[in-house]
Amino acid sequence: AQSVTQLDSHVSVSEGTPVLLRCNYSSSYSPSLFWYVQHPNKGLQLLLKYTSAATLVKGINGFEAEFKKSETSFHLTKPSAHMSDAAEYFCVVSESSNSGYALNFGKGTSLLVTP
Amino acid sequence: EAGVVQSPRYKIIEKKQPVAFWCNPISGHNTLYWYLQNLGQGPELLIRYENEEAVDDSQLPKDRFSAERLKGVDSTLKIQPAELGDSAVYLCASSLGLRGEQFFGPGTRLTVL
Repeated sequence: AQSVTQLDSHVSVSEGTPVLLRCNYSSSYSPSLFWYVQHPNKGLQLLLKYTSAATLVKGINGFEAEFKKSETSFHLTKPSAHMSDAAEYFCVVSESSNSGYALNFGKGTSLLVTP
Repeated sequence: EAGVVQSPRYKIIEKKQPVAFWCNPISGHNTLYWYLQNLGQGPELLIRYENEEAVDDSQLPKDRFSAERLKGVDSTLKIQPAELGDSAVYLCASSLGLRGEQFFGPGTRLTVL
């Protein structure tokens, strides 16, 4: 089964500084990988997804992630944090089967942005 | 476009009581998912519907949990009887087809006392 490990449960950055949220995956073949964001009392929102095309994936709100097969990593980055980026971030790997995609979520990384 | 709607947003019950959650997916989305999210964890799939058919319910604890999607649109997830360990957020998601992007509702936060 495919799985992801989010290496940090909490990350704190100052507004205007870079963001790095780390994710390693385990997969026996080329996975589909996603990053979702969850703001308090709101639904999960897709930030970006990798599906074996370009290894550098650009998402919404200035976020991007790079797929590195040699390191089995899919880290999420943003050049400059904004206060509104404070939220829970989930790295997700999908398993494809005849019944569709099953999303396997990591445990999440809580991003705190300080003024 | 309206998103995935869930109700209630919050529910507090005593253990051994029944509880039901309702989900209305995005219009036109034929695939519907129920996820369980425990505190400090990522969501875990409980059941997945393609129209009115449950195509994956392997993770649904069938002794106390049940779900239905009678007309292939909205869905209800029920727990009877509820246990203390069922306290969690129950998320509903929908997609256009089994391989489409999943859109999530805000969830129902259940507290069992």
